[in-house]
Order: sequence, then C-alpha cells, then structure tokens
Amino acid sequence: DGGITQSPKYLFRKEGQNVTLSCEQNLNHDAMYWYRQDPGQGLRLIYYSQIVNDFQKGDIAEGYSVSREKKESFPLTVTSAQKNPTAFYLCASSPGTGYTGELFFGEGSRLTVL
Amino acid sequence: GENVEQHPSTLSVQEGDSAVIKCTYSDSASNYFPWYKQELGKRPQLIIDIRSNVGEKKDQRIAVTLNKTAKHFSLHITETQPEDSAVYFCAASKGNAGNMLTFGGGTRLMVKP
Repeated sequence: DGGITQSPKYLFRKEGQNVTLSCEQNLNHDAMYWYRQDPGQGLRLIYYSQIVNDFQKGDIAEGYSVSREKKESFPLTVTSAQKNPTAFYLCASSPGTGYTGELFFGEGSRLTVL
Repeated sequence: GENVEQHPSTLSVQEGDSAVIKCTYSDSASNYFPWYKQELGKRPQLIIDIRSNVGEKKDQRIAVTLNKTAKHFSLHITETQPEDSAVYFCAASKGNAGNMLTFGGGTRLMVKP
C-alpha cells in the first residue's frame, strides 16, 4: 500500500534527552512536512522540505532539527532545547513544488516527556 | 504571515441537523482553502477544498463557501450523522507557496444520535 509511515506511535522521553521520530513515504513525493498538533491550536508547521538535501524552517522550528538525505525519508529530532516537547507530531507529504492540493498525512507520533 | 481563525472551537448538533464552521484569513493573496477531518486517533484527511476563482463547491452533504472580499470561508454539513463526529480544520495557502498551509485551531463537532 502506498502511504506515509510514522514511528514510533508512542514515545516517552526523559527531560534532557533527544529523540528522533521517523517518517517514511512511498508515494514518490518530493515535498515533506512536519507539523505539531496541540489541543486548540491546530497544526503548526515545524519544518518542510521541497526536495532532497534541502529543508526550511517553519513557524515553530526552535528546538527541532531535520534531515532529508533520501527522497522517501524525513526524520525529525526533538532536541533537549525544545522547552515543551509533549505533543502529537504529524508528518505529511505532497507531490512537490507548484502542486496545491491534498496533503497526505501519517498516523502521527505522540511524544510525552516525563 | 498568514493567520487563520476558526470558530466555533466546539459544536454539538442533533443528528439530522446542519453544522456550520467558519474561518477567516488575513492574507488577501491566499487562494487555496482546504478542509480536513480528523477522527479520534486518526490522521487528518482532506474532505473538500476550494480555490479563489469559485465562490462555492459542493460534494454530497458537504459544501464550502468563500467570500474573498470579507476574507472568510465556511464549511457546511447537512443532514449530519454520528460518523461526522470529528475535529475539522480549515487552512489557507498562497498559490506560489504550493502546500504551505496555515491551519485554523480546529472545531470539535459532536453529532448526538
């Protein structure tokens, strides 16, 4: 099946630890995105990548880092610098630059900082 | 940058009634307005979208209207059913920004049987 796979689905972290959330897609999409979802605040863009080896900061990039070494993979690292990391994280993809239409989302990863 | 406000944050209706969710946006250059539905514990999925060259679009029980002058757009669900219960998000983007969407805060719709 074509789609986006995020892992892990649930993750617990102690304060001061970095964690990496995985996002893989087999849709052959050029563009990939990471969103953070908090209750009552909708989805906020963390980072996005329009093409391999290139990515840009979104609205709330502080405390996060990404890489895009392969077209199908866009991992997100939540660093210890992120002051309030407990949230639901959604990865998405779309065909690429110039396309305006449906975003395809993964199932999400819920991160809890203990 | 773009700012999208969505109201109400929660909406409770009786099965069979209509539901309306409203969004306003700030950037007059925005020209693409999708609506996503997120059922509990699941991924958001596109249910309908509208582009700025049209004022209304329908798909069975769902319709979206756009008022470019007032910079607001609305989602209308008629004959609501329990399976319509979910969180709905509106969003906006500019054509040259592709899928750089700015989302509203979401509306939790509850349809009571």
